[in-house]
Amino acid sequence: GAGVSQSPRYKVAKRGQDVALRCDPISGHVSLFWYQQALGQGPEFLTYFQNEAQLDKSGLPSDRFFAERPEGSVSTLKIQRTQQEDSAVYLCASSPVGLAATYEQYFGPGTRLTVT
Amino acid sequence: GENVEQHPSTLSVQEGDSAVIKCTYSDSASNYFPWYKQELGKRPQLIIDIRSNVGEKKDQRIAVTLNKTAKHFSLHITETQPEDSAVYFCAASNTGTASKLTFGTGTRLQVTL
Repeated sequence: GAGVSQSPRYKVAKRGQDVALRCDPISGHVSLFWYQQALGQGPEFLTYFQNEAQLDKSGLPSDRFFAERPEGSVSTLKIQRTQQEDSAVYLCASSPVGLAATYEQYFGPGTRLTVT
Repeated sequence: GENVEQHPSTLSVQEGDSAVIKCTYSDSASNYFPWYKQELGKRPQLIIDIRSNVGEKKDQRIAVTLNKTAKHFSLHITETQPEDSAVYFCAASNTGTASKLTFGTGTRLQVTL
């Protein structure tokens, strides 16, 4: 079946522009995560949704970052007034279960954001 | 919060040899420890995971061990093949409070012929 998909795969933004990154999780998956992966580093947690509820946004680096999942399926990560330090790969992952359960997180291919 | 350290950062082995990657974690409440393989430009893919009620798990050429007392866990790959070349990430999660993964910094494994 279809895996997690993300779009666009690549995004170049001028400093100060706003960007929106989309994640389509596996159909029926309850949990959705956003991670940021800087070059040569491991993914770092940004935010977590269980269905449409954003239960954890402790990893969002500033108030320029905003995420939503209004209908409990597709999610959008928005970055306002992009800065060079925002350049990274943004990974989305989904899981069929909610909190208090251990299950594989299935990752999307990521969106590589370059801020010039 | 949780902190995961991973060693070594790079590892080169000859085809057929074994490779071992080690991680330590700080939060004694962590109870889920997956390992992901990431090839260049590709998405991370789960290769094996272990839960805190188990000390060892094996899947063909791959095994993971967990020492809860020492807060260590390790990935063992035997009979390495060129296609094992990739970056490997360990991670830890406390599913009692959140399911987010805290990743290590990665190990670049190179299997040479």
